[in-house]
Amino acid sequence: GAGVSQSPSNKVTEKGKDVELRCDPISGHTALYWYRQSLGQGLEFLIYFQGNSAPDKSGLPSDRFSAERTGGSVSTLTIQRTQQEDSAVYLCASSLGGLSNQPQHFGDGTRLSIL
Amino acid sequence: GQQVMQIPQYQHVQEGEDFTTYCNSSTTLSNIQWYKQRPGGHPVFLIQLVKSGEVKKQKRLTFQFGEAKKNSSLHITATQTTDVGTYFCAGPGEYGNKLVFGAGTILRVKS
Repeated sequence: GAGVSQSPSNKVTEKGKDVELRCDPISGHTALYWYRQSLGQGLEFLIYFQGNSAPDKSGLPSDRFSAERTGGSVSTLTIQRTQQEDSAVYLCASSLGGLSNQPQHFGDGTRLSIL
Repeated sequence: GQQVMQIPQYQHVQEGEDFTTYCNSSTTLSNIQWYKQRPGGHPVFLIQLVKSGEVKKQKRLTFQFGEAKKNSSLHITATQTTDVGTYFCAGPGEYGNKLVFGAGTILRVKS
C-alpha cells in the first residue's frame, strides 16, 4: 500500500518568498505530524494534527509558520517570508491514532533550501 | 518539558564490532520506540517496548527497557555495513499525544 507522500521532494527558493509543503498521509491514519530536521541533527517537532484540528502547535518556530489539514487527510505546511535559517528537511509522519504508543510512518521529506 | 537524552552522539566501529546506544528520560515512560534513519532516508520504526525490564530481539538487534522505565538501550551484535545510519529513541510527550525524539546516535561502520 501507499506510504506517506510528501511534495515537492526538493524546493529551492529565494529569501523572503513563501513556500507551501504538502503531506499526504497513509489512508485511515488520523494523526499527522510535521518535523524539521537540519543536516546531521535530530527531529524538531513542529505541529501535530488529530483529524483536522491541531491540539499541539507548540513547535512552530514563529508566526511565519502555519499548517492546516483538510478532510482529515492532506496537510500543508506554509512558511511565509522565508529566511535562510528555514533551510532544512521537513518531514511529515502519520499514525493510526493520536496516542504516543502508535508507530509513526514517515514520508521522504521535502528538502528546503533558501538562497 | 519532557526530554529524552541519547548517548553517544556518534560512534564509528569496525565491521564485526558491537554497538550500543542509550536513551534516558527524567520521567517514567509508558513506552519507548526506536527508529532507524539511513543516510539520505527517513526514520523507520523498528520496535516499541512497553513493559518494565522488557527485552526484545530482532536478529542482531537487542532492545531493552529499564526496570524503572526511564531508560532504554539498543545493542547491535557484530555490526555490518547495512547497520549504518542514525538510531533514534522516542518517548511519549507530556500529554501522551506525541513522541519526543532523542537527538539520535549516528553509527558509522568501517569495513
